[in-house]
Amino acid sequence: GENVEQHPSTLSVQEGDSAVIKCTYSDSASNYFPWYKQELGKRPQLIIDIRSNVGEKKDQRIAVTLNKTAKHFSLHITETQPEDSAVYFCAAGREGYSSASKIIFGSGTRLSIRP
Amino acid sequence: NAGVMQNPRHLVRRRGQEARLRCSPMKGHSHVYWYRQLPEEGLKFMVYLQKENIIDESGMPKERFSAEFPKEGPSILRIQQVVRGDSAAYFCASSQGATSTDTQYFGPGTRLTVL
Repeated sequence: GENVEQHPSTLSVQEGDSAVIKCTYSDSASNYFPWYKQELGKRPQLIIDIRSNVGEKKDQRIAVTLNKTAKHFSLHITETQPEDSAVYFCAAGREGYSSASKIIFGSGTRLSIRP
Repeated sequence: NAGVMQNPRHLVRRRGQEARLRCSPMKGHSHVYWYRQLPEEGLKFMVYLQKENIIDESGMPKERFSAEFPKEGPSILRIQQVVRGDSAAYFCASSQGATSTDTQYFGPGTRLTVL
């Protein structure tokens, strides 16, 4: 079945440094790749997403890259701040009016920002 | 603009009892998804529903679990004869549709504890 692998499972970076989280997916028909941030005890919240017709997308300190050939996508956070500490989930999905509209999540990366 | 609502936020049940979890999607959203999150783990897809229809239940355990999304009222995830292994956070998400322009927005979750 479909699978999304996410690495690393934990990541600690110095405040101000960059953080990179990588994911690979198995379903070559996937065309939608959202990233969610989940703070302790709270709901997952969408922070950025990318669709298969683009290779890169940026939103302030956050960027995502997508390599469809390699079935690989990454989240980049620059100039990290303490409030970036959270668990980050990548996901992959196919969208359309069919039963394939579910999103498969990676296992999460616990990001800690050291002061 | 109320977001996705879930209740109760916390639910305690003894083994063998029934648990009923409710999810009210965002206004204008007709697609509901249920996910289970075990402690320190990622989000696992359970079921995808539209009004009065189960579209994809491939992630639902074969026994004891059921879901519905009636014409009127919230979506309900029902767990019969709960066991300790059912203890988890259950999140629902909703989207306006299932096309590439639709994003899933998560509710705050219901944390089920089985004693």
